[in-house]
Order: sequence, then structure tokens, then C-alpha cells
Amino acid sequence: AQSVTQLDSQVPVFEEAPVELRCNYSSSVSVYLFWYVQYPNQGLQLLLKYLSGSTLVKGINGFEAEFNKSQTSFHLRKPSVHISDTAEYFCAVSERGSEKLVFGKGTKLTVNP
Amino acid sequence: DGGITQSPKYLFRKEGQNVTLSCEQNLNHDAMYWYRQDPGQGLRLIYYSQIVNDFQKGDIAEGYSVSREKKESFPLTVTSAQKNPTAFYLCASSIGLAREQETQYFGPGTRLLVL
Repeated sequence: AQSVTQLDSQVPVFEEAPVELRCNYSSSVSVYLFWYVQYPNQGLQLLLKYLSGSTLVKGINGFEAEFNKSQTSFHLRKPSVHISDTAEYFCAVSERGSEKLVFGKGTKLTVNP
Repeated sequence: DGGITQSPKYLFRKEGQNVTLSCEQNLNHDAMYWYRQDPGQGLRLIYYSQIVNDFQKGDIAEGYSVSREKKESFPLTVTSAQKNPTAFYLCASSIGLAREQETQYFGPGTRLLVL
């Protein structure tokens, strides 16, 4: 069965610093990978997704992620964060042919001035 | 505008009461999902439906029920059998089976509180 581990539950950073949010997954078959962002008391918004092709995926708000099949990782990065990036970020995996999406427990990113 | 709407935004439940959360989408999506979110737990799948008049249990279906009588609607009932219903409930939809891009799109959520 597929599973997702987000290695950091909280990540504090200063404004304009780079950030990496780590995600590892476990699956025996090919997968689709997603990153979602959630602002307080709101639903989830899709940041980016990996379906196939180039392993470097660019998303909204200047975020990008790299799929590493050998490391079974899909880390999210941003070179320079803003206060407005403060939110909770969820990594999710879906096995090809499956209707289910499995989520990690989330990483709370706090950007301080 | 196309999207997913959930109502109400906040819902209060008394002991022994059933309550129903609404989820409507106008994206013409076949598949719909209900998740429960608790702090530090991520999202857990309650029920999902791939087509009208059909639905399947997710990982935590006990104490919940659903119906799918219309393509655009997938209401969730939290029954009195659910002993710990306080949580944030999220509805999602996707294009559906047999399509490669199973991206799920989420509604704004309903927060359920027990009085």
C-alpha cells in the first residue's frame, strides 16, 4: 500500500530565505505526486503535480518540486519565500489506476519577517 | 465560475444528533470524495464515489453515510454513531476513472463542532 511521509511537521524560515519541504513516498507501482497548500480555515489548493516526463515540476507562486524515483522523494522548494507563503503544505501520492489519493500529515511553513 | 461549494461553513452537533454536510460541484466531474482533517493527521478518506448511485468506503467510514443521487451532489451525514465528530471536513472532486489526470480539486471545507 502506498504511504507518504513528510519529514518535518514545522518549518520556520525568515522572509526571502530559501526553503525545502521534504516528502518521501512508498509504493510498489508507478505513481502520480502532488503538493497542495492550505491557508487557515480554507480548502486545499493545488500547487503542482508530477504525472510523467520531466522530473522538475514548476507550480504556482514560484514553487517547484523534483521527482527522484531512486530516492522515492518529491521535495518542494522555493528560492525566496514571502510572508504570504505561511501556510500548511501537504504532499500526496496516487498510484496509477487508483482513484485514491494518500496524503502526508502536512508541514506548517511559517515565514517570519 | 466553476468550482466546489460546501455548506455550511460551521456546523454544530448535539449529542445523539445526525447532521448532514453539503457538497456541490459544477465542474462536471464524475468522482467525488469526502475527507476528514484533524490537526497533525493530514487528510483521511471517509467515502468516495466514482459515478452516480455508487460509492465506496474509505479508510474511516464508520459513523458516516453518503448518497450520490445526482452527479453534482455528494452529501455526507455524520451519524450519532460517530463518537468523535469534531473535525474539518473537506469535499473534493476529480474528472473520474480511466482518465490519466486524477487531480482532485477541493472545496472550502466545513468545520463541525460538538456542543
